[in-house]
Amino acid sequence: EVQLVEAGGALAQPGGSLRLSCAASGFTFDDYAMYWVRRAPGKGLEWVAGISWSSDNIDYGDSVKGRFTVSRDNARNSLYLQMNSLRPEDAAFYYCAKDMEKFGMSKILEFWGQGTLVTVSS
Amino acid sequence: SYVLTQPPSVSVAPGETARITCGGNNIGSKSVHWYQQKPGQAPVLAIYYDRDRPSGIPERFSGSNSGNMATLTISRVEAGDEADYYCQVWDTITDYRIFGGGTRLTVL
Repeated sequence: EVQLVEAGGALAQPGGSLRLSCAASGFTFDDYAMYWVRRAPGKGLEWVAGISWSSDNIDYGDSVKGRFTVSRDNARNSLYLQMNSLRPEDAAFYYCAKDMEKFGMSKILEFWGQGTLVTVSS
Repeated sequence: SYVLTQPPSVSVAPGETARITCGGNNIGSKSVHWYQQKPGQAPVLAIYYDRDRPSGIPERFSGSNSGNMATLTISRVEAGDEADYYCQVWDTITDYRIFGGGTRLTVL
């Protein structure tokens, strides 16, 4: 059974940093691209970042580009999101998600974790 | 940038058919995927490549895509179908995965 478990959400101050992690199990992690998507309270889903299985293809949503960094450790079956220069509008549930297709970036988010909550406030 | 437009809400009675639309410029030329998110739960892939259903998704869920509109159709709606539904496409120009604003389905 595929499981994705996010961690690291917390209260951060504006301008501060957080590092989110996503522990994956139930599938061959290093065969699949992975993604971060967020949902702010009262808002819809927003694309944050994506990383290919080999880490050679990485992209970001406009609102986080230059501030957030996605990475993965295939040996640890883990996905990460380093969040710097946090803003109040970054407050949201952050979900990690697995791509549907092996060795590609189909952009289809087949399985999602339960999410971790990031709050940004002074 | 590419924009996907969904109605904020759709309401139907149990047993009726719900149609949730996703409008975009020439969206029929793109692949559309749909996600269901129930309150307090993670999103779930409901339809991919316009009309394919992942295992575990009831046959009552179907999709279509043509011209400037994609549609998620839920037949014989049940109370358990109440959720927010999001369409998603891949914009090949920006390489962004774009979500629609979401539609809240209410079962009366």
